[in-house]
Amino acid sequence: SQQGEEDPQALSIQEGENATMNCSYKTSINNLQWYRQNSGRGLVHLILIRSNEREKHSGRLRVTLDTSKKSSSLLITASRAADTASYFCATEQGGSEKLVFGKGTKLTVNP
Amino acid sequence: NAGVMQNPRHLVRRRGQEARLRCSPVKGHSHVYWYRQLPEEGLKFMVYLQKENIIDESGMPKERFSAEFPKEGPSILRIQQVVRGDSAAYFCASSPRQGISGNTIYFGEGSWLTVV
Repeated sequence: SQQGEEDPQALSIQEGENATMNCSYKTSINNLQWYRQNSGRGLVHLILIRSNEREKHSGRLRVTLDTSKKSSSLLITASRAADTASYFCATEQGGSEKLVFGKGTKLTVNP
Repeated sequence: NAGVMQNPRHLVRRRGQEARLRCSPVKGHSHVYWYRQLPEEGLKFMVYLQKENIIDESGMPKERFSAEFPKEGPSILRIQQVVRGDSAAYFCASSPRQGISGNTIYFGEGSWLTVV
């Protein structure tokens, strides 16, 4: 069953603005990962946050995890046109080898 | 996408034909996963294989779909008697060891199947 659900489904911003995407999930997890997908391409792993972590940074990316609310957010600061892509959260659940993906947020950064 | 090679990248099949999608994992990786992505959707797990073994096929449709990862050669996802609903992007991913807890898995660029 679909686990992660991202919102918004689509987000359009101007270059230089920050973009925030949210992800909610339903069951307990080992970790949560964010991926990026350019149109017609494969997935690129962005960042992984473990269930015992609350916040993680990587360059212009900031991810938070609130296990009590079963939610995560991805913040992209100082966005660029090249950040235009779909962003997916994926959860890994205990004892399972599979990642469960949300439907994604389609981000458009206008130059 | 460190080295997971999928081919063909694009495949067109008529209804009733067979589709074979191939995946060569990152060198040294012995664990392969197949996912399917329908238009405007996220990826959905299909099957997890190790060399010569199917570990978890809980996401595979019961009929027409099969997967293998032989001792030598690429992993193959085979779809028999394709229907229009099989049109999707099929992604392969690999990892170096059992379990992906905290382990980054690497995705290929996908094989985009269109059934006409």
